[in-house]
Amino acid sequence: EPEVTQTPSHQVTQMGQEVILRCVPISNHLYFYWYRQILGQKVEFLVSFYNNEISEKSEIFDDQFSVERPDGSNFTLKIRSTKLEDSAMYFCASGSSYEQYFGPGTRLTVT
Amino acid sequence: GIQVEQSPPDLILQEGANSTLRCNFSDSVNNLQWFHQNPWGQLINLFYIPSGTKQNGRLSATTVATERYSLLYISSSQTTDSGVYFCAVPTGAGSYQLTFGKGTKLSVIP
Repeated sequence: EPEVTQTPSHQVTQMGQEVILRCVPISNHLYFYWYRQILGQKVEFLVSFYNNEISEKSEIFDDQFSVERPDGSNFTLKIRSTKLEDSAMYFCASGSSYEQYFGPGTRLTVT
Repeated sequence: GIQVEQSPPDLILQEGANSTLRCNFSDSVNNLQWFHQNPWGQLINLFYIPSGTKQNGRLSATTVATERYSLLYISSSQTTDSGVYFCAVPTGAGSYQLTFGKGTKLSVIP
């Protein structure tokens, strides 16, 4: 059964550094998403991507964040200058217009 | 935006027991998903259930969209069922972003 994959599974970075989180969505899906979950809290939406552009974004998704689909298969989330409060689990999801399938997540730790 | 409330927040079960988890939402929806977050943090799709009833092994789910709630039933619970169960619905009409509830933390003890 096809699944969403994410790399790395865990990333540790220093405050102020740039990080890129990578995702390979399920191949025939057209909608792509990033969510995050701060430890012990609920999952929060960051951004959705359709037809090579952002379709929705939350207030969390500020200028420090960007997304890209560089080669038609990968989907990336970049955080330009990480802050301590960016420490969280980041989930990529892909789907049809309704059902979303989530990847295993990347745990980002900012020190 | 839409409000999603899950109950109970915590649940401890003896292995073999049955349970019902509830998800209430504040507005009409055309999509609802249930997820299981395992102890390693992975989100596992359980059901896509905008209405009606579905079953998958020991798990089943029912959504009554007109009354704005969904139920997840776990029968003959096993220790591997432990984790957090989330329901999620679209944030608003025409939106594909999901709003998650705070989850029900289930602990199944041997």
